[in-house]
Order: sequence, then C-alpha cells, then structure tokens
Amino acid sequence: EVQLVESGGGLVQPGRSLRLSCAASGFTFDDYGMHWVRQAPGKGLEWVSGINWNSDTIGYADSVKGRFTISRDNTKNSLFLQMNTLRAEDTALYYCAKDSLPYDDYLIDAFNIWGQGTMVTVSS
Amino acid sequence: QSALTQPASVSGSPGQSITISCTGTSSDIGSYNLVSWYQQHPGKAPKFMIYEVNKRPSGVSNRFSGSKSDNTASLTISGLQAEDEADYYCCSYAGTSTYVVFGGGTKLTVL
Repeated sequence: EVQLVESGGGLVQPGRSLRLSCAASGFTFDDYGMHWVRQAPGKGLEWVSGINWNSDTIGYADSVKGRFTISRDNTKNSLFLQMNTLRAEDTALYYCAKDSLPYDDYLIDAFNIWGQGTMVTVSS
Repeated sequence: QSALTQPASVSGSPGQSITISCTGTSSDIGSYNLVSWYQQHPGKAPKFMIYEVNKRPSGVSNRFSGSKSDNTASLTISGLQAEDEADYYCCSYAGTSTYVVFGGGTKLTVL
C-alpha cells in the first residue's frame, strides 16, 4: 500500500524552529518528486515547497522562502522540511504529497498521494 | 488571496450537474496543461480527482470531468450524489519561479 506518514509537528513559539518528516512506503521513492502543502485552520490549500526526484530542482512559496528548507533522503525513503523563524501565520496542518509522474521535468504534474498531515501551531 | 480564483460555493440537487470554474492567468493555466483537481471532505486529506486538465485517475468516477479554455479550467460533476458534498480545489503548475498555485477552494453543497 502506498503511504505517506508525517511527523514532527507541535506547538512552538514564534521565532523558533521545527523539523517535519515524512516517511514514504509502497512505491519507489527516489523516482518521484515530493512536496509539502499546508492548510491553515478553516482555510484552503497552500503549496509550501517541492523537491524533484534527484534533488536538483527545488522550489518554495514566497511566504516561506529563506526560512524553510526542503530535503530528502532517498536511502531512507524520507522527506523533510526544516522550518526556521516560525511565525503565527505558519500555523497549519502540513501535508506531505507525492508527484504523480516519475522523473517529472516540471517538478509537479499532480499530487496523487497525500499523507494525513502533521499540525504545526506557532504561538507564545 | 489565492493565485487561482474559484467560486466560494456552488450547489445542486441530486442527479443534477454542476461546474466549478478556476480562473488563472497566462502564466499558469494558460501556459500549461498541468491543471489538477482535489476533493476534500471535512477532517480528511485531499483526494486526487483530475490531472493534466481532463484525465481521471483509476478509481475516480466518470461522473467527474475536467476541461480548460484559455486561462480558465473547469470541473464538472454530473449525476450529483450526496457523497460529492465536499470542498474542491484546483491547482496548476506555474513555471519555474512560482511552481505551484492553488485555488481558494469551492464548497459544494448537495441540496
């Protein structure tokens, strides 16, 4: 079964850091781009960051550029999101999502598999 | 403010058809056939419904269809059923600077 399981969320004070992880199983992880998409409480979906299959293409939303860093470890089938200088507006459920197309030249074709999310709350 | 514009809500009766529009620009929807649609029920993760404008993943009902004209994409649901009541989001590739944009979401109510 194809599965994505996020972890690492929690309550953190503004200005502090947090590292999210996503464990993948059931597919050849190093063939696919991976992404983080977030959803603030009661709001819509917002793409945060993506990384292609071999890590040579990486993108960030303007709202997190310079503060967040995406990475992957293909030997451990894992995706990560290092979040620094967190702000109240970063409070959201963070989903890990898989690209539908292997070796995708465009970084994203579509998000065909989603995890259940990990909640990040930034508050003093 | 989302990059793609969707109506906040649509509604229809069981058996009817509805269409949800998603308006972007020549930098996203207008330039790439990489529009996708997602269904999200309350408290659940989004579900992949349509990709590359009009392709349906295996397991998705053929009552769901997608299309695109210029800078606007559309999702049509025919033969509305109670279980279709959910939020729907459009998404598009937007080039190598912005990469990905989502619509603000549309709440579908089945009357």
